[in-house]
Amino acid sequence: NAGVTQTPKFRILKIGQSMTLQCTQDMNHNYMYWYRQDPGMGLKLIYYSVGAGITDKGEVPNGYNVSRSTTEDFPLRLELAAPSQTSVYFCASGTGTDTQYFGPGTRLTVL
Amino acid sequence: TQLLEQSPQFLSIQEGENLTVYCNSSSVFSSLQWYRQEPGEGPVLLVTVVTGGEVKKLKRLTFQFGDARKDSSLHITAAQPGDTGLYLCAGAPIPSGNTGKLIFGQGTTLQVKP
Repeated sequence: NAGVTQTPKFRILKIGQSMTLQCTQDMNHNYMYWYRQDPGMGLKLIYYSVGAGITDKGEVPNGYNVSRSTTEDFPLRLELAAPSQTSVYFCASGTGTDTQYFGPGTRLTVL
Repeated sequence: TQLLEQSPQFLSIQEGENLTVYCNSSSVFSSLQWYRQEPGEGPVLLVTVVTGGEVKKLKRLTFQFGDARKDSSLHITAAQPGDTGLYLCAGAPIPSGNTGKLIFGQGTTLQVKP
């Protein structure tokens, strides 16, 4: 089992560019989450999904969009990248019973 | 808004020392988890505590859930360099709305020097 995989691992964007962060899980989990992690700030929830076709905003959704067309995939879209979106992004999945399994993260820099 | 506050934020100790990390809130959680994160990787679950007053041990790590389920602690005995990393506590809020959402503390960075 690969668990939760994320691509790319690193990316540098210019202000105003767009990109999609990919997340795939092979554990057949219904629940998936996107977080951003800034130094000294822990993990902040961006968006989450409780099943295919269902998504909802988390704590810091502005500037991001998501879709969930399949159980396995939960891509995160950044439109019009801004320096404030420089962060490390983690995708996680779970069964909804507390435990979440995290991917290795995507380190994004917006210049 | 439910918050979890961890203390200390940074801890640098010598190998063999003991340490305790605290995770506090004014809110009640249905469960509380501790994760460990190494540089360049995602957090990995260490333990989940569910019952007020519960104590769980994982080798040299002891985890305790407060009686009122508002706080937790992580105690490491005889720390080793391999314990170095970021420790995160995370609580399952009440109500969770069947979302599986967690609230994370800001983390404690632990450095254990040989």
